[in-house]
Amino acid sequence: KNQVEQSPQSLIILEGKNCTLQCNYTVSPFSNLRWYKQDTGRGPVSLTIMTFSENTKSNGRYTATLDADTKQSSLHITASQLSDSASYICVVSSYNNNDMRFGAGTRLTVKP
Amino acid sequence: EAGVVQSPRYKIIEKKQPVAFWCNPISGHNTLYWYRQNLGQGPELLIRYENEEAVDDSQLPKDRFSAERLKGVDSTLKIQPAELGDSAVYLCASSLAVRGRNNSPLHFGNGTRLTVT
Repeated sequence: KNQVEQSPQSLIILEGKNCTLQCNYTVSPFSNLRWYKQDTGRGPVSLTIMTFSENTKSNGRYTATLDADTKQSSLHITASQLSDSASYICVVSSYNNNDMRFGAGTRLTVKP
Repeated sequence: EAGVVQSPRYKIIEKKQPVAFWCNPISGHNTLYWYRQNLGQGPELLIRYENEEAVDDSQLPKDRFSAERLKGVDSTLKIQPAELGDSAVYLCASSLAVRGRNNSPLHFGNGTRLTVT
């Protein structure tokens, strides 16, 4: 069983709308959680990193949250743009070693 | 700063043929990763190098896959012989890892899309 579960698997929204992507994990001991954006045909690019002591962090129209107690993170996208269409991958790192666990990603499509 | 460069971009081969992928990481990055990504899935680690040493190759199918990172810079990943199930995108990533800290981001190349027919 994957230690990082993302939902929904895919999502279609209209341009200008907001959306929230979810990431639940069981990785332990927890070190940090990153959200990556992967455009079609490209490699993933880091959007933000959340460490244990951080609850929320913003990067432009992207806001990530972390609840280390419930082991949940979310990525909220505000005022979506066509260029937000991509896969969003949650990656959780463990303190044990350099182990990084990847979620399967959420495929977001923003339509005009 | 140049990003991670991978080649070729696409490769189509027949099963049982060999294939090789090349990766040039970001200058100064000591850690290099090879991942395999199937459609609709997240990347899966094949091998991780710290400088020229392979420190995690537990997920590398060693009967047909091999990798090297001579001089701790460029790396090649080889499959011989290729099977139909090897069709996927092969991603290379690099990072500047500091001992005791694992919060450096991975910088990915754009991958090599392999199709085995």
